[in-house]
Amino acid sequence: KNEVEQSPQNLTAQEGEFITINCSYSVGISALHWLQQHPGGGIVSLFMLSSGKKKHGRLIATINIQEKHSSLHITASHPRDSAVYICAVCNFGNEKLTFGTGTRLTIIP
Amino acid sequence: NAGVTQTPKFRILKIGQSMTLQCTQDMNHNYMYWYRQDPGMGLKLIYYSVGAGITDKGEVPNGYNVSRSTTEDFPLRLELAAPSQTSVYFCASSYSMLAGLTDTQYFGPGTRLTVL
Repeated sequence: KNEVEQSPQNLTAQEGEFITINCSYSVGISALHWLQQHPGGGIVSLFMLSSGKKKHGRLIATINIQEKHSSLHITASHPRDSAVYICAVCNFGNEKLTFGTGTRLTIIP
Repeated sequence: NAGVTQTPKFRILKIGQSMTLQCTQDMNHNYMYWYRQDPGMGLKLIYYSVGAGITDKGEVPNGYNVSRSTTEDFPLRLELAAPSQTSVYFCASSYSMLAGLTDTQYFGPGTRLTVL
């Protein structure tokens, strides 16, 4: 069973700061997902990646397969980025995801 | 496209009652999933389906049943509700061309269930 650890659990920052959220897992995977859960509860998929780096707007996700580690970065953070960010991994030969417990991000104006 | 829809949004059940949580997707996705989210815990997979007529257990299937008679619908049945089933339930869907691989998952808005 893959263990997924996220850090930090909670993060509060000022508007404009560069944000980094980390995710580590214990067993090799076929893909890693980053999800955003809004304060209202809805969940949106941000990225799915299996190697390297992806960028969408102010969000950047990287993965290091050898280190079993991924990071989610937010540049020029904004209060609307306040949400819970969830990392999930997909094991090889498996359609199922294992989720981390999430990082609660609060951006103060 | 409406995406993934779930009904109801909220429900309160008494211990021992039964109910069905509805989930429908209009994206022609072959994979569908049911998760529960408890406070402070990661999402846990209850059941999933790789296509119509095919379902399989996830991590926490006890107390639940599912069926997948069509591509679009994947209802989750609670037969004898217990307080431990108080949670937020999310349905999700995705598309995969190959067994053992999955693409981006699209989530429904969730159903908040309380069992008293």
